[in-house]
Amino acid sequence: NAGVTQTPKFQVLKTGQSMTLQCAQDMNHEYMSWYRQDPGMGLRLIHYSVGAGITDQGEVPNGYNVSRSTTEDFPLRLLSAAPSQTSVYFCASSPPGTREQYFGPGTRLTVT
Amino acid sequence: GENVEQHPSTLSVQEGDSAVIKCTYSDSASNYFPWYKQELGKGPQLIIDIRSNVGEKKDQRIAVTLNKTAKHFSLHITETQPEDSAVYFCAASTASYDKVIFGPGTSLSVIP
Repeated sequence: NAGVTQTPKFQVLKTGQSMTLQCAQDMNHEYMSWYRQDPGMGLRLIHYSVGAGITDQGEVPNGYNVSRSTTEDFPLRLLSAAPSQTSVYFCASSPPGTREQYFGPGTRLTVT
Repeated sequence: GENVEQHPSTLSVQEGDSAVIKCTYSDSASNYFPWYKQELGKGPQLIIDIRSNVGEKKDQRIAVTLNKTAKHFSLHITETQPEDSAVYFCAASTASYDKVIFGPGTSLSVIP
């Protein structure tokens, strides 16, 4: 199993541009989530999904959209990038019936 | 809003000594308390967790204690090794999927 994979690893955007961060898992996990990690602030939940076709907001959802058309994929979309979205983004998934989270390697995003 | 405090923010110990990291949470409904280890350039990895119906859990050199009355939980690492050097995050969550709050992290350095 590849586990949780994320692409790209690094990305630089200009203010106002849009892009999609990809996340995939091959462990048949129902629960998937997106976090952002900023210095001194730990990880903050952006959006999560408890299964295909179901998504919901976390602590910091503004400026981000998600969809879950399959169990495997959970992309995160930035509609109009802002410098405040400069961060490291992590995707995670959890096995059914547990709260353990398996994290991907992250995407480092810079918005200029 | 709800939050998780974590202390210390940095910790330096000699190889073979013990390390203790403490967290305090505010949401009394929290019932799951995981600890994650994050090595440089990687995603967080779950190392141990504890649920609210247990006061202590141990896994080889790592142990976690929970005091629900005081809303405190701690990570104890004994016989530290250089490979224990990393950033450690605590988290507190409720039964609701959108209530996952991470602490700001502790950077642990183990000096050979």
